[in-house]
Amino acid sequence: AQSVTQLGSHVSVSEGALVLLRCNYSSSVPPYLFWYVQYPNQGLQLLLKYTTGATLVKGINGFEAEFKKSETSFHLTKPSAHMSDAAEYFCAVSPYGGATNKLIFGTGTLLAVQP
Amino acid sequence: DGGITQSPKYLFRKEGQNVTLSCEQNLNHDAMYWYRQDPGQGLRLIYYSQIVNDFQKGDIAEGYSVSREKKESFPLTVTSAQKNPTAFYLCASSLPGQEVSNYGYTFGSGTRLTVV
Repeated sequence: AQSVTQLGSHVSVSEGALVLLRCNYSSSVPPYLFWYVQYPNQGLQLLLKYTTGATLVKGINGFEAEFKKSETSFHLTKPSAHMSDAAEYFCAVSPYGGATNKLIFGTGTLLAVQP
Repeated sequence: DGGITQSPKYLFRKEGQNVTLSCEQNLNHDAMYWYRQDPGQGLRLIYYSQIVNDFQKGDIAEGYSVSREKKESFPLTVTSAQKNPTAFYLCASSLPGQEVSNYGYTFGSGTRLTVV
């Protein structure tokens, strides 16, 4: 069965510091991976996705993520945090060619940015 | 511009009343989904529909009902049988089948339901 684990339900960084949000997946078929961001009282917005090809994926707002098959990871990073990055972030996997075509979401990581 | 519209944004209802949340999309997506979000619990799938006039239960369907009479619309009814209905409800849509893997979901802006 496919699953997604996000380590750390709450992460706090200082403005200007590196942001690192962790995501590990379990999938028996090649995974397609997504990061979504949710601002308070809003829906989820796609940040970036990995389907095939280059394993380093760049997204909106300066975020990027690297697919590492050997580590079954898809961690989200941003070199310098901004106050506007404070939000909840969700990692999701779609097991392409698997038994289901629904996204499987992690439980989310709430990012706080301190001034 | 195409998108998903959820209405209303905030909804208050008395305990024991049924309430229907609206979800409309103009993306020409075949698949639509309803999720419930509670603090610290991530997204939990209530119902999903891959095609008009067909839908399947998700992980927490008890106390909820849906219909899919039109491609554009997927309303969710929270019935009086739902024990803890106060939550944030999210609707999403996607292209069908394996295209979910290529494009993911598009989400609405959510409805916050409070039952008093």
